[in-house]
Amino acid sequence: EVVLTQSPATLSLSPGERATLSCRASQSVSSSIAWYQQKPGQAPRLLIYQISNRATGIPARFSGSGSETDVTLTISSLEPEDFAVYHCQQRTNWPPYTFGQGTKLEIK
Amino acid sequence: EVQLVQSGGGLVQPGGSLKLSCAASGFTFNSFWMNWVRQAPGKGLEWVASISQDGSDKYYVESVRGRFTSSRDNARKSVHLQVNSLRADDTAVYYCVVARGIQAFDIWGQGTLVTVSS
Repeated sequence: EVVLTQSPATLSLSPGERATLSCRASQSVSSSIAWYQQKPGQAPRLLIYQISNRATGIPARFSGSGSETDVTLTISSLEPEDFAVYHCQQRTNWPPYTFGQGTKLEIK
Repeated sequence: EVQLVQSGGGLVQPGGSLKLSCAASGFTFNSFWMNWVRQAPGKGLEWVASISQDGSDKYYVESVRGRFTSSRDNARKSVHLQVNSLRADDTAVYYCVVARGIQAFDIWGQGTLVTVSS
């Protein structure tokens, strides 16, 4: 089973700052990494798929990059609505699909 | 509108059963695998089950195998998760999700809470 490790667990930043979130896989997951944003009481929302492709309607300040084992989600300039929990996920070696444990992006 | 609308869930005693349902609209339901993902209170996301387009292939996370059963009705554009022999650690919000050909879950239901407690 592929284990995804996200870091940091919590990231404290101010609006306007740049956020960099990491997701490391225990083995190669090809290009199947996706990122989701989740706000309290809501279902997750797809942000990025296949490492670097933005989902429909996702603002350009969100970008994804990386390799088959180390991927990064970058938010270029934080807006107030970006403070949430972010999850990475892989589906190359499934079942099972696996998720990271999440990174909480909080207002500093 | 593309959406998944869930129903079912609730409070159940340990050992009890529930049926979770999910109705799809706005996309070609019978073209895609359907999936269930859950989230225990304050925890991360966990994939639970997947069912193929015609229902002939099913996969489950090891912790629910033999207790949970997924099914679908393509005529009614609906998918179901029968959850039996429930345990306290099954307490979670359960989401119905679909990946429409981009290797990621692009549509999520609103979620339904299952609470297992005596």
